[in-house]
Amino acid sequence: KAGVTQTPRYLIKTRGQQVTLSCSPISGHRSVSWYQQTPGQGLQFLFEYFSETQRNKGNFPGRFSGRQFSNSRSEMNVSTLELGDSALYLCASHSGGSADTQYFGPGTRLTVL
Amino acid sequence: DQQVKQNSPSLSVQEGRISILNCDYTNSMFDYFLWYKKYPAEGPTFLISISSIKDKNEDGRFTVFLNKSAKHLSLHIVPSQPGDSAVYFCAAGSRFPGNQFYFGTGTSLTVIP
Repeated sequence: KAGVTQTPRYLIKTRGQQVTLSCSPISGHRSVSWYQQTPGQGLQFLFEYFSETQRNKGNFPGRFSGRQFSNSRSEMNVSTLELGDSALYLCASHSGGSADTQYFGPGTRLTVL
Repeated sequence: DQQVKQNSPSLSVQEGRISILNCDYTNSMFDYFLWYKKYPAEGPTFLISISSIKDKNEDGRFTVFLNKSAKHLSLHIVPSQPGDSAVYFCAAGSRFPGNQFYFGTGTSLTVIP
């Protein structure tokens, strides 16, 4: 079974721009969660999508948004980028049931200049 | 507000000895706890979990202990091996509804040969 894939792996943007990151979950998994990892802050939960609906949301501003498609692939969008948005963005795939754990992709490293 | 804390950013242990990584949480509603291991340039990999109805869970060299009254969990690695050198994240949350987990800031473990 193929793992979680994220594209692109690296991205450089400037302040004020917007960015879209993509995540393809493990085949058959219906839940995708997004996390932001910065030094000293650990992994901060952004949101979770299940069957194309946002099921949980973390404490991030509205500039951070996401969506999920019918094939379970998910995208995350950040508008009006700020320097502080520079981080590793991780997505995690989960079957949607209660028994399984979530599996992480390798992440997208976003640098905002 | 950090709901999950790992107060030791780093830990060094001799090969063959025990590694003990600690984690504290603040929310008494959390009912599921996990440990992840992360190598550079990779996403976190699930290591071991424990539900709030247990106080101990073992998987080979890895044991997780949960003390609900103290809101504390720990990961024991015995014996430690050089390949265990990585950053370890603990996570706490609830699987119902959906998956919303809060992560600590990580502890970097170095196992010295």
